[in-house]
Parts: sequence; C-alpha cells; structure tokens
Amino acid sequence: GQQVMQIPQYQHVQEGEDFTTYCNSSTTLSNIQWYKQRPGGHPVFLIQLVKSGEVKKQKRLTFQFGEAKKNSSLHITATQTTDVGTYFCAGGRGGSARQLTFGSGTQLTVLP
Amino acid sequence: NAGVTQTPKFQVLKTGQSMTLQCAQDMNHNSMYWYRQDPGMGLRLIYYSASEGTTDKGEVPNGYNVSRLNKREFSLRLESAAPSQTSVYFCASSEGAGGNSPLHFGNGTRLTVT
Repeated sequence: GQQVMQIPQYQHVQEGEDFTTYCNSSTTLSNIQWYKQRPGGHPVFLIQLVKSGEVKKQKRLTFQFGEAKKNSSLHITATQTTDVGTYFCAGGRGGSARQLTFGSGTQLTVLP
Repeated sequence: NAGVTQTPKFQVLKTGQSMTLQCAQDMNHNSMYWYRQDPGMGLRLIYYSASEGTTDKGEVPNGYNVSRLNKREFSLRLESAAPSQTSVYFCASSEGAGGNSPLHFGNGTRLTVT
C-alpha cells in the first residue's frame, strides 16, 4: 500500500534557527496536505498543495511540492516558541479518504 | 461554531468492555472520519463516511463499528475492548470526499484499555 515517510522524527532547534521537515511517498500523489498539532491538542490543517513544483508561503512557513509529486517539504524560517508542535504531512491519491495517508510526523521543540 | 465535538475526552475501560465514542459536527460537512493516533505512527484511518447513509472501512477497521446517524453525527463503537485499542481517537469532518479536502478534527478521546 501507499506509504508516506516523514523525517526527521524529532527536531530540537534554538529559537531563531530554521527548521525543515520532509515527506516522501512511494507513489505519485495527487495532492499533499500539512497539519500542525500542538502538544495535547488536535491536528489543525495548514495548507494543501496540488500542482507539480508548487510553492506556497504562510508568513514564516514555506511549503513545497516536488516536481514528480512524490515529495514535499515544510520550512520554517526563524523559529519561535509558538512553532512548537508536531507537523504532519498527508499524501492523497484521489478523492477517497482511504487514499489519504499520513506521515508519522516531526515533533519540533524550540528552545528559548 | 463549535466545529467538531467529541465525547468523552477521557475513558478507561477494562478488557472486554464496550463503549461508544460520539462525534458531531456543525459545519454541514458531507464526510466524517475516525482516526486513531499512536506514538510514532501518525494518524491511521479506522472508518469513514463519505456521505450520510454510507460508511467504509479504512486502514485499521478490525475491532470497531461505526454508525452515521445523520449528517451531523458519526459514532465509533468498540464492542469488546482490547489493550491494543489503547490510543487517542480523533473524529474529523470535511466538506468534500477527504482525499483532497481539508480535514477538521475534534479534540480527541484518550482511551486506555487495561
């Protein structure tokens, strides 16, 4: 079945440093979604990418979808303590919910 | 708007007991889902309902049943709880079919089976 691998599993950064998490799929994706989950909270939708090579920005967050639509990344510039949480990617292969596969997440700790 | 509401927030069961997790959404979404989250494994789909009146198995359906009671409500039932079902359960909804539609999650139910 479809697998979505996400690395790293954990990342500790000093406040102000940059952070990147990567997702790789074993199959071509139709879309990729990114979610953020604060400690003790629930996943919150951040963004969806659907086009090959697409790049989207939300303030300090930059999301990329690879040309082959098999990988994606989330980059945070100048991390802040409010960025703490786990970031999940979810790769889709069509309109069915069964086709949306979550990565295992990257847990980000920001040290003040 | 409350969004997606789940009850209970916490539950402890003994092996073999049964329980139903409740979920309701007030966003008039067509699709609803149940996920479980285990450490290091991300979110795994248990069951989903693409529209009122339909339900389908996800990646890990064994040991669970669901009911789409109406457009708003989607419940998850554990008939005979097992320790392997200790997890955090999230209900979610989406306007579209889910694979390419953003998911809105509830606050989760933390279930422990002893």
